[in-house]
Amino acid sequence: ELKVEQNPLFLSMQEGKNYTIYCNYSTTSDRLYWYRQDPGKSLESLFVLLSNGAVKQEGRLMASLDTKARLSTLHITAAVHDLSATYFCAALGGATNKLIFGTGTLLAVQP
Amino acid sequence: DTAVSQTPKYLVTQMGNDKSIKCEQNLGHDTMYWYKQDSKKFLKIMFSYNNKELIINETVPNRFSPKSPDKAHLNLHINSLELGDSAVYFCASSQEFPPGPRLNEQFFGPGTRLTVL
Repeated sequence: ELKVEQNPLFLSMQEGKNYTIYCNYSTTSDRLYWYRQDPGKSLESLFVLLSNGAVKQEGRLMASLDTKARLSTLHITAAVHDLSATYFCAALGGATNKLIFGTGTLLAVQP
Repeated sequence: DTAVSQTPKYLVTQMGNDKSIKCEQNLGHDTMYWYKQDSKKFLKIMFSYNNKELIINETVPNRFSPKSPDKAHLNLHINSLELGDSAVYFCASSQEFPPGPRLNEQFFGPGTRLTVL
């Protein structure tokens, strides 16, 4: 059964700093998704990664996928307060095509 | 225009009651989903419909019953509500099943916060 783990669960960082959120998944998965959730709000799709070595960037966020290591990363460059949110990764379960979500990482960017 | 809408936004009710949450999408998508987010923010899929057919039916109590009258609507009916049903329920839709691979193919509704007293 596919399991998805994220770390850290909570990340407090200063504006202008760089950091990485890690997403490990336990079995083969065809797709890896990243989402953002603001407090009390819905989920917003950020990235969909399909293949080994895939890298996608949007603003200060860059996501990558290593299917051999079963690892995806979300790298934050020069963080700004507006990036404060909870970030979820989700992997697609092979046989069932269900999205299995990680635990989420609460990112707090301090001014 | 709201892409995926849910009603109600908040639902407070007593144990044992029966309640429904409604979801509508105006994106022309073929697939709709119900997710549950618990108090620890953990997200789990409950159901998925593709072209009005049930394609994902997770291990949830049979007190939960989804209904899709047409491709644009997916409702969730809950019988005999229990304290543990308190959560935020998100409806979502996507053009394909599974969602993606292109970005902006999956949209989530604003959520319904259900509180069972």
